[in-house]
Amino acid sequence: GAVVSQHPSRVICKSGTSVKIECRSLDFQATTMFWYRQFPKQSLMLMATSNEGSKATYEQGVEKDKFLINHASLTLSTLTVTSAHPEDSSFYICSARWGSLDDEQYFGPGTRLTVT
Amino acid sequence: AQKVTQAQTEISVVEKEDVTLDCVYETRDTTYYLFWYKQPPSGELVFLIRRNSFDEQNEISGRYSWNFQKSTSSFNFTITASQVVDSAVYFCALNSNTGKLIFGQGTTLQVKP
Repeated sequence: GAVVSQHPSRVICKSGTSVKIECRSLDFQATTMFWYRQFPKQSLMLMATSNEGSKATYEQGVEKDKFLINHASLTLSTLTVTSAHPEDSSFYICSARWGSLDDEQYFGPGTRLTVT
Repeated sequence: AQKVTQAQTEISVVEKEDVTLDCVYETRDTTYYLFWYKQPPSGELVFLIRRNSFDEQNEISGRYSWNFQKSTSSFNFTITASQVVDSAVYFCALNSNTGKLIFGQGTTLQVKP
């Protein structure tokens, strides 16, 4: 089956610093990748959709200057949380899709970010 | 508007009981997909099932079964003879015509020994 990895699985950073999270599709080429955020005991909320080689599309209310997304290749997308603050502490999950709109998304294992 | 509602926030059962998790969706699309995912404490989403809007046949996979009824816009999930390992958060999701997944609020299932 299709495998998506994320790195790191956990990260702790100090307030004001930036942190980068990688999402890789290991055995397929992902034309589209998605980034979700999940706060404790809540559902997954889509942050942005990225297509390889083009700018990400952000959901309403998500600050694009704070959450920088780069989808530079068909197997890698990165999410950089800039100038992180404690309220950015969350579980970040990526997913990848290789084909059309109704194709399945494959999810990464998630990255737990804690900002102190 | 697209929406998924999981009205049950938390369910607690004793091992070996059957349990049904409800999912009601809203969409104006004629073609859509519905999903169920399991999220154990580790956090990783586990895919359980994908069902397209044209296939209303119920599905059974081991102890899991799904009842899809377009007439009531529901896609319910039943676990038969529940086990402690079934304890997790379960999400129902809808694939909209934009290709985005819309998740329900999730149902936390606790299976006690």
